[in-house]
Amino acid sequence: DAGVIQSPRHEVTEMGQEVTLRCKPISGHDYLFWYRQTMMRGLELLIYFNNNVPIDDSGMPEDRFSAKMPNASFSTLKIQPSEPRDSAVYFCASSLRGGGNIQYFGAGTRLSVL
Amino acid sequence: AQSVAQPEDQVNVAEGNPLTVKCTYSVSGNPYLFWYVQYPNRGLQFLLKYITGDNLVKGSYGFEAEFNKSQTSFHLKKPSALVSDSALYFCAVRGSNYKYIFGTGTRLKVLA
Repeated sequence: DAGVIQSPRHEVTEMGQEVTLRCKPISGHDYLFWYRQTMMRGLELLIYFNNNVPIDDSGMPEDRFSAKMPNASFSTLKIQPSEPRDSAVYFCASSLRGGGNIQYFGAGTRLSVL
Repeated sequence: AQSVAQPEDQVNVAEGNPLTVKCTYSVSGNPYLFWYVQYPNRGLQFLLKYITGDNLVKGSYGFEAEFNKSQTSFHLKKPSALVSDSALYFCAVRGSNYKYIFGTGTRLKVLA
């Protein structure tokens, strides 16, 4: 398997623009997680899904953030409008319940909002 | 509430010496504990886990971790450090509802 695939790897945008980050989990995994990593706040869980259903979105910072999982092989994290303080590395991870509870991370998307 | 603490921001160790990266946790019920490693510009990679069984868990790249229930600790260890072990290490606990809580990370620097 190719692992968790995230796109784009890098995104540079201007304040106020809409940003969409994409994730393809490992085939067969039933959990998907979105994290944000910054120097100041470390690794933060934003939202996670089980069988395409959002379970906990308490980490989503504001209404400007939204996430969807329309099917088992695709998820998006959208920021609208983006702000400079959203600049971070965003990771997607997937896991399989009963698969040892191990999370597999994508390579991340480095977002810079100017 | 579940939590994980990594008390050291950075650990420096000479190559060939043993290393320890500390982690303590707070969780209700039986803990599911993990260590992950992050190399520059990469995602986190699984190293090892403790769910049940032997308190000494062996993982990838020669790493091991010792689960201590009375001290609520899960320290990461390696008998002989390599320069290539230099990276950012995260301890994590799986809490209720399958939610994972990660520590703040410890930067390990192995000096040649």
